Amino acid sequence: TQLLEQSPQFLSIQEGENLTVYCNSSSVFSSLQWYRQEPGEGPVLLVTVVTGGEVKKLKRLTFQFGDARKDSSLHITAAQPGDTGLYLCAGEFGSARQLTFGSGTQLTVLP
Amino acid sequence: GAVVSQHPSWVICKSGTSVKIECRSLDFQATTMFWYRQFPKQSLMLMATSNEGSKATYEQGVEKDKFLINHASLTLSTLTVTSAHPEDSSFYICSAAGTGYGYTFGSGTRLTVV
Repeated sequence: TQLLEQSPQFLSIQEGENLTVYCNSSSVFSSLQWYRQEPGEGPVLLVTVVTGGEVKKLKRLTFQFGDARKDSSLHITAAQPGDTGLYLCAGEFGSARQLTFGSGTQLTVLP
Repeated sequence: GAVVSQHPSWVICKSGTSVKIECRSLDFQATTMFWYRQFPKQSLMLMATSNEGSKATYEQGVEKDKFLINHASLTLSTLTVTSAHPEDSSFYICSAAGTGYGYTFGSGTRLTVV
């Protein structure tokens, strides 16, 4: 059973602050995805990373994939209240077509 | 882009009754569908994986006789919660994957058993 550790579990910050969320595994990801989920809705894909060392940017969000493909981070610059939500990392391992989700980070950005 | 429609979005049922949740891929063929369960403020827990035309593969601890999954076509999978009890109340989410398509999630179903 693959385990994904995500930290922090909860994060409450003021508008304008920066933050980083981490996702770690003891196994190598074949691919890793980051999702954002709002209450009562399904997760929405933010990004997919597959290459070790890869960095992707999506407006104020920066995603990094570790060189060894065992960890990833999501950095948000100048957070806004609209960024509030549950952020989830999810990974594929080996050739299995199946996602394993991290425990999630509940982000609250206060105005 | 790929769209997955999940219905109903919410349902309230009496204890002991059965509830069916539908998951449809609208614009692609979903060779594999996944069903997840999510409790408040927690992550998604995979319940089962189903491939079209095959029996579903259930995760450890998930009762296959209680959570019946049917994936009879490339565009439709259903999850039936049989003899529902209050502890089955949760948010259920489906996801579909097809050749050339990543994972597309439905909007979820809030089940409340009273």
